[in-house]
Parts: sequence; structure tokens; C-alpha cells
Amino acid sequence: GAVVSQHPSWVICKSGTSVKIECRSLDFQATTMFWYRQFPKQSLMLMATSNEGSKATYEQGVEKDKFLINHASLTLSTLTVTSAHPEDSSFYICSATGRVGYTFGSGTRLTVV
Amino acid sequence: QQQVKQSPQSLIVQKGGISIINCAYENTAFDYFPWYQQFPGKGPALLIAIRPDVSEKKEGRFTISFNKSAKQFSLHIMDSQPGDSATYFCAASIGSGNTGKLIFGQGTTLQVKP
Repeated sequence: GAVVSQHPSWVICKSGTSVKIECRSLDFQATTMFWYRQFPKQSLMLMATSNEGSKATYEQGVEKDKFLINHASLTLSTLTVTSAHPEDSSFYICSATGRVGYTFGSGTRLTVV
Repeated sequence: QQQVKQSPQSLIVQKGGISIINCAYENTAFDYFPWYQQFPGKGPALLIAIRPDVSEKKEGRFTISFNKSAKQFSLHIMDSQPGDSATYFCAASIGSGNTGKLIFGQGTTLQVKP
């Protein structure tokens, strides 16, 4: 079956630093990747949609300069949280789509201290 | 119009019982309706999905019922087990299930008591 690998699974960083999260489709080509954010006991909120080789499309209210998304290949997308602050602490989840539909990564727990 | 409304927020069911979670949508352009199961600290995993040309789909203990005219769909978990205790999300998208962005419901926390 389709597998999406997301790393790291958890990260703690200091306020003001940047953190990069990777999302890889291991056995299929992901034409589109989605990045979600999930607060405790809440639903998944779509942050942005990225297509390989194109600029990401951000949802309303999401700061594109703070959440940098790169989708340089059909198997890799990265989300960089720049100048992280405690309010950016959350669970970030990627999803990749290809011929097999949507496949989700296992998520990254980001804690900014 | 992009919202998907899910209820109940939480549900407690005895082992062996039937768990029922409901979702409603407004956008008639949605053409793919999946249900996801999520355990704490993990990403969502696809349980079952349906397209609007079908009124019901069953896979094992999981059944989706779809009412196109009412713009509602529901998940039924038969013979619920303690291992089913998790958060369930309905979702909807446009693009036949592999291109459009998924819009998620608010989630239902299911607890199955032994």
C-alpha cells in the first residue's frame, strides 16, 4: 500500500529558531501534498496545498512567510516553520495524493519553548 | 459552504454495540466522502470512503450510509470493540478522491467500554 513517511515525529525547539519537517512518499509519486495543523482535541485544519515544482497555495489566514513549503520533487515536500514561537506549538500532518488517493503521514509534534 | 458538520462530539458505546456518527455538508460539488480513524499522536488512517452515486458501502464492520438529497452521510461501526476507541473524522473533497483538498468534520471521540 501507499506509505508516507514524515520526520521528525517530534521536535522541541527554542523560540525564534526554525524547524523543518519532511514528508516523503515512499512507494508512489505524489502529485499533490497537503499540510495540516491540528491542535489538541480539534480537527485537522488545512494550511496549504503544494504541487511538485509549483509554489504552494496557502489557506486564508496562514502566513506564507512563516510556514515555508517546498515541493521540489514528486516524493518530497518540506514544511519549515520560521522564527517559531510558543503559539506555533501544534501537531503538523502531511498528506500526499497520487493514483491511490490520500495517504497521511504519522505527524510531527512541535513544541516551541 | 465548504464546511462539513459532524456529530456527536463524543460517544460512549458498550462492547458489541453499534456506534453511529453523522456528518452533513452543504457544497453539492463534493464528490468524495471518506472516514478516517485517528489514534492519539498518530496521523489519520482511511477507514472507508464513498462516492455520491452509491447509497451504502460496507467493509467488514464499517458501513457508510449516504443520503445525497439530504446531503448527509454516516458511519456505522457494528460490533464495536475497545480497540475501536479513537477519534473519527468525516471529510469531503472535490476531485474524485485524489486531487482536491479534504475538508474535515470536527471529529468524534469514541469510547467503547468493555
